Amino acid sequence: DGGITQSPKYLFRKEGQNVTLSCEQNLNHDAMYWYRQDPGQGLRLIYYSQIVNDFQKGDIAEGYSVSREKKESFPLTVTSAQKNPTAFYLCASSIGYRAYEQYFGPGTRLTVT
Amino acid sequence: GQQLNQSPQSMFIQEGEDVSMNCTSSSIFNTWLWYKQDPGEGPVLLIALYKAGELTSNGRLTAQFGITRKDSFLNISASIPSDVGIYFCAGLSSGTYKYIFGTGTRLKVLA
Repeated sequence: DGGITQSPKYLFRKEGQNVTLSCEQNLNHDAMYWYRQDPGQGLRLIYYSQIVNDFQKGDIAEGYSVSREKKESFPLTVTSAQKNPTAFYLCASSIGYRAYEQYFGPGTRLTVT
Repeated sequence: GQQLNQSPQSMFIQEGEDVSMNCTSSSIFNTWLWYKQDPGEGPVLLIALYKAGELTSNGRLTAQFGITRKDSFLNISASIPSDVGIYFCAGLSSGTYKYIFGTGTRLKVLA
């Protein structure tokens, strides 16, 4: 089945530690995205990538980093510089050349204490 | 960052009733998307709209791309308990990969 995989579903970390969230897609999509969702809130864009080895900051990139070394993978690192990292993180992808339909993964809930 | 205004923010309805919600923007979009999100899950794409005035259905769901290209509407007919969730709209401008999301409409269906 084609789709987007995020792992793990739940992640717990101590404050001050960096943590990397995984996102893999087998849809052959060029563009990939990371969003953050807080309780009762909409989606806020962290980073996006239109093509391998290229990515752009979204609206709330501070304290986060990404890489795009392979088309199917777009990992997100939440660094210790992120002041309020506890949130629900969603990865998404779209075809790219016709970037109309965006599909989401199941999400990772990160809790930092 | 910019967010779209969705209305209403939340609504309780009786099972079997029709539901309407809308999304408005200060910017023009070339694409509107509608999603449903269940608690703790990723949003699921319901309907995609590509042309002003376009009306598209997916089962009991019907969405419209507003003529001004600054708004979109979603209707759910004969609601059932599994329609409960949060509905998001998203807009995309020409020449960009950056989707703008609405604030969400939380739907609760009373059996």
